[in-house]
Amino acid sequence: EAGVAQSPRYKIIEKRQSVAFWCNPISGHATLYWYQQILGQGPKLLIQFQNNGVVDDSQLPKDRFSAERLKGVDSTLKIQPAKLEDSAVYLCASSRQGDNQPQHFGDGTRLSIL
Amino acid sequence: AQSVTQLDSQVPVFEEAPVELRCNYSSSVSVYLFWYVQYPNQGLQLLLKYLSGSTLVESINGFEAEFNKSQTSFHLRKPSVHISDTAEYFCAVSAQGAQKLVFGQGTRLTINP
Repeated sequence: EAGVAQSPRYKIIEKRQSVAFWCNPISGHATLYWYQQILGQGPKLLIQFQNNGVVDDSQLPKDRFSAERLKGVDSTLKIQPAKLEDSAVYLCASSRQGDNQPQHFGDGTRLSIL
Repeated sequence: AQSVTQLDSQVPVFEEAPVELRCNYSSSVSVYLFWYVQYPNQGLQLLLKYLSGSTLVESINGFEAEFNKSQTSFHLRKPSVHISDTAEYFCAVSAQGAQKLVFGQGTRLTINP
C-alpha cells in the first residue's frame, strides 16, 4: 500500500510570511495527525483528526496555526504569520480508527524560517 | 497525562557490540508503549510495541524491549548491532483508549566500525 504522502519536502520562508503543508494519508485511514518535531526533540502532537472532525488540538498554537481536513481524506496545515521558533520538521501520520492502531508517518516537511 | 524520558541523548557503540537504549515513562493510567526509529531525512517507522501479554516484545531485525511495570521502563536492546542500525530512536507512550502518542526526546545511536 502507498504510504503517507507529504509536500513540499522542504520550505524556506521569512518570518511573518505564511506557509502551508499538505498531507495525503494511507487509503482507508480515518485518523490523521500533525506533529511538530523541533531539532533535537521528539515529535509533539499539534492536532488529531477523526475523519473530518478534530479530536485533539490542545497543543496547536491557534493564534497562528490552523489545520483542516474538509473531506476526511487530505489535510492541510497552515502557519500565518510564521515565527523563527516555528522552524521544525512537520510530520503527518495516519492510522486506522480504534485503540492501539499503529501510526504510519510521512517523511515530513522541513521548514526553515529566516 | 503521560510523559517519557529517554535517559541518553547519544549512544556510540562499536559494530557487533550489544546496546541498550533506556526509556522510562510516567502515567496515571494503563498505557501502550512503542519504539520508533527515524533514519536521516525520513519519517518515523514503528520498530516494536507493547500492548498486553508477554512483557518481552521483539522486532523483525533483532531488537527487543521489555515492559517493566514496577520500574515504569521499556528499554530497547539488541545483542549485536550493525552499521545499518545507525538512526535516531524514539520511545513513545499512549494511554489505553486514546490514540495520542507522547514521545521522548530521542536517542541517537551511532555505530562505529
